[in-house]
Order: sequence, then C-alpha cells, then structure tokens
Amino acid sequence: NAGVTQTPKFQVLKTGQSMTLQCAQDMNHEYMSWYRQDPGMGLRLIHYSVGAGITDQGEVPNGYNVSRSTTEDFPLRLLSAAPSQTSVYFCASSYSGSGGHYNEQFFGPGTRLTVL
Amino acid sequence: AQKITQTQPGMFVQEKEAVTLDCTYDTSDQSYGLFWYKQPSSGEMIFLIYQGSYDEQNATEGRYSLNFQKARKSANLVISASQLGDSAMYFCAMRASGTSYGKLTFGQGTILTVHP
Repeated sequence: NAGVTQTPKFQVLKTGQSMTLQCAQDMNHEYMSWYRQDPGMGLRLIHYSVGAGITDQGEVPNGYNVSRSTTEDFPLRLLSAAPSQTSVYFCASSYSGSGGHYNEQFFGPGTRLTVL
Repeated sequence: AQKITQTQPGMFVQEKEAVTLDCTYDTSDQSYGLFWYKQPSSGEMIFLIYQGSYDEQNATEGRYSLNFQKARKSANLVISASQLGDSAMYFCAMRASGTSYGKLTFGQGTILTVHP
C-alpha cells in the first residue's frame, strides 16, 4: 500500500494563479480531510469528506474548493491564490470504524506552497 | 466547538529520562477521541497514541502512555526513557464521534528537545 500520497511536494505560485493539490489513498478509507499548517500553529481543517460525493467545510474553507468523485481521490483547488495561502498542506484519510487504530488519521507527506 | 490547548511551547529533557507533555481539551460531546501525533523536522505526521472518551484504562503504546483525566479534561502524553530521536514537535488532537470522524482539532504543539 502506498498509503496517502500528495502531489506536488513543493509549489510556488503567483498571486491570482489557480492550482490543484492532489491527494490519493489506496486504503479504501471513507473519510478524507485537508489541513493547513502555518508556523507556530497546529493543523487547521480546511475541508473534509465522509464519502464519495459528500464534502463539508472545516475551520478555514475560504479560498479553497474540493470535490470527491471517487473514494480514492480528494483534490484541493485554489481558485485565485493569495499570499495568505502560503502554508504546508496535509491530506489525511481514516476509517469510519471505532476502536484503537481504526480511529487513526493517516497523513500524506504534505505539500509546501508559497504564494508570491 | 472543540478546543485543544497545549501550554508548553517548548520542553527539554535529558536522554533516558521521562517527560510529560500537557494537553487540555474542551468539548460538550460525550463521545470523543484524543490523539497524539509526532512531527519530526522532516515534516511528516506520525500517529503515536489514541484514547477514547469511554476507555476505562489509559492508553499505552510502547514508550508512550496517555494520562487521561476525564474530569479535568486533560490528556497528557508521557514519554518514558527519552531518546534523541524523540526530538520533534508533538501535537495533541481531538475528534468528535459520528460523522466527524474526518475532522481533527489540533493544539498549537510542543517542541520537545532531548539532550544527550
């Protein structure tokens, strides 16, 4: 299993450009999430999904769109990048079961995004 | 709304000694889960330990244990016999039950430095 994969690892954008951060998981997890991590802060939830076709907003959704057409993929779209979106982005997935490690969120390696 | 507070921005410990990283939480949910993640300088998020709100015993995973005091709403991580490789950022996180399986709320993190 590759686990949770993210592409690209690094990206530099100019203000106003758009791009899509890719996330895929091969563990058949129902739940997938996007977080951003800024210096001195913990991870903050951007969007999440409880299954294909179902998404919802997290704590900091403005400026980001998501869709989930398959169980495996959960891309994050920046429609018009702003310097405030400079951050490290993590995708995560998890089971819906209960008990022990069934609760664990598996994280991808992250994408470091800089918006100039 | 859920909130996680980690009041120790940085902690220092001598190799082979034990260290406790503090975490307090706030939630009105009766069913929830508490997590600790490690983030080394390489940036990946590594799951350490999980405690369910209805678990009667404190969780343990090797050298990691979670000191869960439900009435005080605290979930401190105890690392026994610290190793140099334990130097990293540590995050406490919370998840509510039900459809919130894909949503974690993180604290700001504690940087642990292990001295030889």
